Amino acid sequence: QVQLQESGPGLVKPSGTLTLTCSVSGGSISTYYWSWIRQPPGKGLEWIGYIYYTGTTKYNPSLKGRVTISVDTSKNQFSLKLSSVTAADTAVYFCAREGGPVGSTDYWGQGTQVAVSS
Amino acid sequence: EIQMTQSPFSLSASIGDRVTITCRASQSISNYLNWYQQKPGKAPKVLIYAVSRLQSGVPSRFSGSGSGTDFTLTISGLQPEDFATYYCQQSYNTITFGGGTKVEIK
Repeated sequence: QVQLQESGPGLVKPSGTLTLTCSVSGGSISTYYWSWIRQPPGKGLEWIGYIYYTGTTKYNPSLKGRVTISVDTSKNQFSLKLSSVTAADTAVYFCAREGGPVGSTDYWGQGTQVAVSS
Repeated sequence: EIQMTQSPFSLSASIGDRVTITCRASQSISNYLNWYQQKPGKAPKVLIYAVSRLQSGVPSRFSGSGSGTDFTLTISGLQPEDFATYYCQQSYNTITFGGGTKVEIK
């Protein structure tokens, strides 16, 4: 059974960089696409971007170049960096696997709350 | 970027009701349409993928239909555990979610 676990600071200062890591267990990261998805308080889901194990990435254009997703296959992990954060980036951040048929999101982490505040 | 428009934003229904949620894509997405259920404080879980295929373990009262740009999720015989928020998702060109539909108890 594939499991994903997010880790990283729960509080980031405005204008700083949010950094999260997702550790994958129960399966190899060297297959499928791996996503970051976020959910602001009381709002819907927003896809941030995904990465293939080769390093190929795609990002949500609405995040305007602030996002970098990287992968470390030796550790079976992938990471998110979001720069120049503001209060609008406060959200629960999920890591997930796009492993279903037609690329559905079949495995999710439990989510980690990140607040942007001074 | 493909936009996904989901309706209604929320609905109230009773146990046993038939519930329908719709999702419209801004362009054709073939069969790359998936539905998710999310309960408070939890990660979403996939219910239906590829428009109409039921994820393993999901009750048969959930069904999906549609093609091209217009899609529907139907719950036939609402159960207490079905009160949740539902999202559509296109995976045709990167990923986009609909805005969500909250299903509440009437």
